[in-house]
Amino acid sequence: KAGVTQTPRYLIKTRGQQVTLSCSPISGHRSVSWYQQTPGQGLQFLFEYFSETQRNKGNFPGRFSGRQFSNSRSEMNVSTLELGDSALYLCASSLDRVGGYGYTFGSGTRLTVV
Amino acid sequence: AQTVTQSQPEMSVQEAETVTLSCTYDTSESNYYLFWYKQPPSRQMILVIRQEAYKQQNATENRFSVNFQKAAKSFSLKISDSQLGDTAMYFCAADTGTASKLTFGTGTRLQVTL
Repeated sequence: KAGVTQTPRYLIKTRGQQVTLSCSPISGHRSVSWYQQTPGQGLQFLFEYFSETQRNKGNFPGRFSGRQFSNSRSEMNVSTLELGDSALYLCASSLDRVGGYGYTFGSGTRLTVV
Repeated sequence: AQTVTQSQPEMSVQEAETVTLSCTYDTSESNYYLFWYKQPPSRQMILVIRQEAYKQQNATENRFSVNFQKAAKSFSLKISDSQLGDTAMYFCAADTGTASKLTFGTGTRLQVTL
């Protein structure tokens, strides 16, 4: 059974650019959530999608957006990149939108903004 | 809002010994779930153990067990017979029963030594 796949694994972007990260959940999982991990702020929730609908959103500026496709694959986009956006972005999938089933995480995308 | 606190930034244990990682949480929800995740240098967040708040019995997964004290809002992880492969960051996390959104603690870096 394939795990959660995140692409790309590493990314270097320049300030002001935009970036799109991709996440393919485990087959059958319809909930996909995104987290930002930084040394200073730790792990912070970005947003969660279930059946193509954003059900929950964290406290991030509007530059951070996402979407989910009918096959449950999800993308997150960050526009007008800032140096502070440098982080490990983790995607997690779950069987259902109701918490408690546990989440399977991908290996993350390391974004560096220069 | 819920909060998760891990007060031990770093811990060290010798191989084959037992170690306990502490975690306290705060939530106004009556239905919630607690997790311990392990993040080795490979970056992938791996689920170690989960606990349903409405269950009195402490969860156990092989060498890993929890001490869940609901009234004290405490959720500690005990690792028995520590192995070198247990070296990693350990994160305590909480999730309510109504939204797929994990709140993480700041993590405990565990080093297993020979």
